[in-house]
Amino acid sequence: QVQLQQSGPGLVKPSQTLSLTCAISGDSVSSNSAAWNWIRQSPSRGLEWLGRTYYRSKWYNDYAVSVKSRITINPDTSKNQFSLQLNSVTPEDTAVYYCARVTKYSSSQYYYYGMDVWGQGTTVTVSS
Amino acid sequence: DIQMTQSPSSLSASVGDRVTITCRASQSISSYLNWYQQKPGKAPKLLIYAASSLQSGVPSRFSGSGSGTDFTLTISSLQPEDFATYYCQQSYSEITFGQGTRLEIK
Repeated sequence: QVQLQQSGPGLVKPSQTLSLTCAISGDSVSSNSAAWNWIRQSPSRGLEWLGRTYYRSKWYNDYAVSVKSRITINPDTSKNQFSLQLNSVTPEDTAVYYCARVTKYSSSQYYYYGMDVWGQGTTVTVSS
Repeated sequence: DIQMTQSPSSLSASVGDRVTITCRASQSISSYLNWYQQKPGKAPKLLIYAASSLQSGVPSRFSGSGSGTDFTLTISSLQPEDFATYYCQQSYSEITFGQGTRLEIK
């Protein structure tokens, strides 16, 4: 079965870069039917989608408008994983960060997308 | 971006009750609506995709309906393990989530 294993530091200083990795087992980061996402959750902002990377003959990335100037999501095909980098963090970036797979479903001749596999979550605190 | 508004924010119910949670989108999202269940300290779990399709392995007491802007999640007969927080999420455009509905034991 597909599993996602997150790793990375739980404490980041303000103005520095938050870096997390999500290792995939049971699927491929290069899958033509999945997308690999980062989501965060905080009491003040709720669940917030940050961005995704996916492969459809070439690599694509999409980022949330709220973080677009600060975020990079990269696939690593050699290690079958993907990463999140969030620059210039502030205390407002304190949250539980999740990676998740989005799977494509077919229903009534249309395609729909759902986050069917999630990592275990990483609590990241931004503090000096 | 598309705003997702859930109601109620919290709900008290008993085992065996039938419960309905509502999600409204700020504009039409067709059927690009998913429902998730989250328990404390755990990641969300996909229950329903495409507004009304049951994810594999999810009990049939969960059902979803709606299209356009108005959607519902119904639990036909609450079980002890169903007490959790439920979220809707749209995938019509940049992904957004509702604020959640906390389902508590009465």
